[in-house]
Parts: sequence; structure tokens; C-alpha cells
Amino acid sequence: AQKVTQAQTEISVVEKEDVTLDCVYETRDTTYYLFWYKQPPSGELVFLIRRNSFDEQNEISGRYSWNFQKSTSSFNFTITASQVVDSAVYFCALSEVAGGTSYGKLTFGQGTILTVHP
Amino acid sequence: EPEVTQTPSHQVTQMGQEVILRCVPISNHLYFYWYRQILGQKVEFLVSFYNNEISEKSEIFDDQFSVERPDGSNFTLKIRSTKLEDSAMYFCASTQASNQPQHFGDGTRLSIL
Repeated sequence: AQKVTQAQTEISVVEKEDVTLDCVYETRDTTYYLFWYKQPPSGELVFLIRRNSFDEQNEISGRYSWNFQKSTSSFNFTITASQVVDSAVYFCALSEVAGGTSYGKLTFGQGTILTVHP
Repeated sequence: EPEVTQTPSHQVTQMGQEVILRCVPISNHLYFYWYRQILGQKVEFLVSFYNNEISEKSEIFDDQFSVERPDGSNFTLKIRSTKLEDSAMYFCASTQASNQPQHFGDGTRLSIL
């Protein structure tokens, strides 16, 4: 069965600090997808990134970057020069392609509450 | 940009009553989902729906739950006889293909009294 672990329950930083959110996953499939979603205080879920299991290239999007390491089953998320607006709950999620068939079920981690202080 | 819309934003219901949560997925999407999030906890998968039938469901999705796509645009989640532990935020999501990112609605907060 698939599992996603976000060991950091809460992180508190001061604005302009860099912060890394950890995500470790478990799956028996060789083909799978990893996602990060942001849940701001207003409650909606906002898609940030998708990575497939065959693409281990790191990705940077503005102040956001993602480090996918298959060898350690990790998909960590770094925010550079954090801002108050980054304060939110961040969820890592996994979707398997079991036996070539997938209906896209997402398994979420527990989430990391990030608070950025001015 | 097209959005997934959910109504109502907040539903208060007496225990034992039936409740229907409504969702309008993005129009060209083919896969539909319901998730729930108990306050302060992680988001949990309930059910996926594809080609007019349930494709996958979790252990949470017992006989009290049902889903329907009655008219080609709406996607509903019905809870037949609500319990206190059904209180949660319920999210609807849709996507064009199962390996693509899911787009989530803003959620319906369900409060059971």
C-alpha cells in the first residue's frame, strides 16, 4: 500500500529565511506520480507541482524548488526567501499507476504547517 | 480559468439526516473524486468516478455514502444517515486524465449536530 510521510508537523521561520519541507513516500509501483499542494488559511487546495517517477530532474519555479530522489524515496520542497504569504499547510501526495491502471487516487501526507513571521 | 465549484460552502445538519453535497467539475474533465479532511488532519480519499461508475473507493466510503453524476455536469456525494464523525471538509476534484493534477473545489464544510 502507498504511504506518504511528512515528519515535520509545524515549521516556523522568519521572513526571508529559506525553508525545506520534507516528504518521504512508500510505494511498490515503479510508475507513480508525486505532487505538492498548498492549503492557505482560506482552506482551498492549490496545486503546486507534479513529478513522475521517471523524471528525477530537480525543478525550480521562482522561489520554489523541488528535489526528487528516488534512491531515498523523497520529494522535498524548498521555499527560498520565504514571505508571509507562504504561510499555509503544505501537503505532499502520491498517486500510483497500479498494474498499468490508475484512476488517480491521491494519498496525502499529514501536511506541514508553515508559519512565516514578518 | 475554469474552476471546480462546490455548493454549499457550509452545511449544518442534524445527526441521522441525509445530506447531499454538490460539485460542478471542470467541463472537459473525465475523472472525478471526493476527498474529506477532518479538522486539523490530512486529506483522505473517499471515491473516484470515471465513465459513469465508481472506479475506486476507500474503506471510509461505506454503504452510507453514494455518488452520482445525474446530468453530465453535476457530481454529487450523498450521505444517507449522517453521524457526528462525518463532520469534515469535503473536497471535490476533477482531472482530464488520471495522471494529471487534480483541480480541487473550495470545499464544503459539513457540520453534524
